[in-house]
Amino acid sequence: QVQLQESGPGLVKPSETLSLTCTVSGYAISSGYYWGWIRQPPGKGLEWIGSIYHTGSTYYNTSLKSRVSISADTSKNQFSLKLSSVTAADTAVYYCARSPYYWNCYFDYWGQGTLVTVSS
Amino acid sequence: DIVMTQSPDSLAVSLGEGATINCKSSQSVLHSSNNRNYLAWYQQKPGQPPKLLAYWASTRESGVPDRFSGSGSGTDFTLTISSLQAEDVAIYYCQQYYSAPTFGGGTKVEIK
Repeated sequence: QVQLQESGPGLVKPSETLSLTCTVSGYAISSGYYWGWIRQPPGKGLEWIGSIYHTGSTYYNTSLKSRVSISADTSKNQFSLKLSSVTAADTAVYYCARSPYYWNCYFDYWGQGTLVTVSS
Repeated sequence: DIVMTQSPDSLAVSLGEGATINCKSSQSVLHSSNNRNYLAWYQQKPGQPPKLLAYWASTRESGVPDRFSGSGSGTDFTLTISSLQAEDVAIYYCQQYYSAPTFGGGTKVEIK
């Protein structure tokens, strides 16, 4: 059974960098699939942030591309998100998820999500 | 980006009755190479991540009850719950994956 778990600080100061890690169990990310980040501001809808393939190829939402970096550590079976220059608008629940087939695909396994609040 | 528009924003349905959720894309998500619609549906309950219900517009994910069915093609899609159960109270989202993934704004389903 594939499981994903997000971890990282729940509070980030404005202008700083948000850093989250997703730990995957039950499947080796080096074996394939695409691994992505999606966020959901409180009470609002879902926004895809970006995805990574185990080879290191990355795909980003154009609206966030200048601030986002996604990387993978196959030895730890983890992938990570960095979002720089955060503002209050980046306050959201951040989910990691798996996509089969393509970088732009549906998401079949999700983590439970972690709330990140941007505030001084 | 492809914009996904859902309607209604919310609906209240009696237990055992049917519910219909609509999703419209700003451009076709039907891929001519394989005649597949790149459209997925999710269910999200409070405090939980979204759960995949269907993909390719109408293929039900394993374990999803058959009272959930997806239909449509091109730019217009529907998720139908044939007989609403109490556990179906949730927000439902559509998502296109024809290009960079985008989601609809969600439809909240409640019990009347």
